[in-house]
Amino acid sequence: DAKTTQPNSMESNEEEPVHLPCNHSTISGTDYIHWYRQLPSQGPEYVIHGLTSNVNNRMASLAIAEDRKSSTLILHRATLRDAAVYYCILRGFAPGGTSYGKLTFGQGTILTVHP
Amino acid sequence: DTEVTQTPKHLVMGMTNKKSLKCEQHMGHRAMYWYKQKAKKPPELMFVYSYEKLSINESVPSRFSPECPNSSLLNLHLHALQPEDSALYLCASRFSGTSTDTQYFGPGTRLTVL
Repeated sequence: DAKTTQPNSMESNEEEPVHLPCNHSTISGTDYIHWYRQLPSQGPEYVIHGLTSNVNNRMASLAIAEDRKSSTLILHRATLRDAAVYYCILRGFAPGGTSYGKLTFGQGTILTVHP
Repeated sequence: DTEVTQTPKHLVMGMTNKKSLKCEQHMGHRAMYWYKQKAKKPPELMFVYSYEKLSINESVPSRFSPECPNSSLLNLHLHALQPEDSALYLCASRFSGTSTDTQYFGPGTRLTVL
């Protein structure tokens, strides 16, 4: 899987938007951009994924640059419960292929949310 | 039911003990995983089972022995561990969609080897 680069840490205030960047300059055309987060003392949880277009779900939004070399996870109103390590992961996947779903985690971004 | 359960939550064992970690999911996922996570580090893949067969072993020492008795259950048998094996052990299962896939993780078993 191609490599991603994220800032080590970011801080936000409660109820403010948070933009978490991820650089993936070597992304290939079939790589999906996935975001997972890991809350303290819990296992990672899936947040969102996208390929080319911006994506929204109940947890967050994903903005993907036109050249796909970077993306941004957007939390529209941060809460204290959003304090976690956020991982940006590229997943190469071909329908009917033999990928076994190996997730290669980078160091991630530690998000601190202040009340 | 979109939950992956792991037992026990915590485990303390000596270097001569034999113990097992258990993972269960009832989402019908046919791929299951063991990851190891050291403190302040990202999770690292250990094993992948696909349709109850071992598909990937990431060069894990033989003192870790995985087992997949059926499509819902995944075990990790531990024997003669070292103190450096102390870590959070995470289990996950995989949902494969038409275009990509997502993994569901359990809360982990925190293992301490004395």
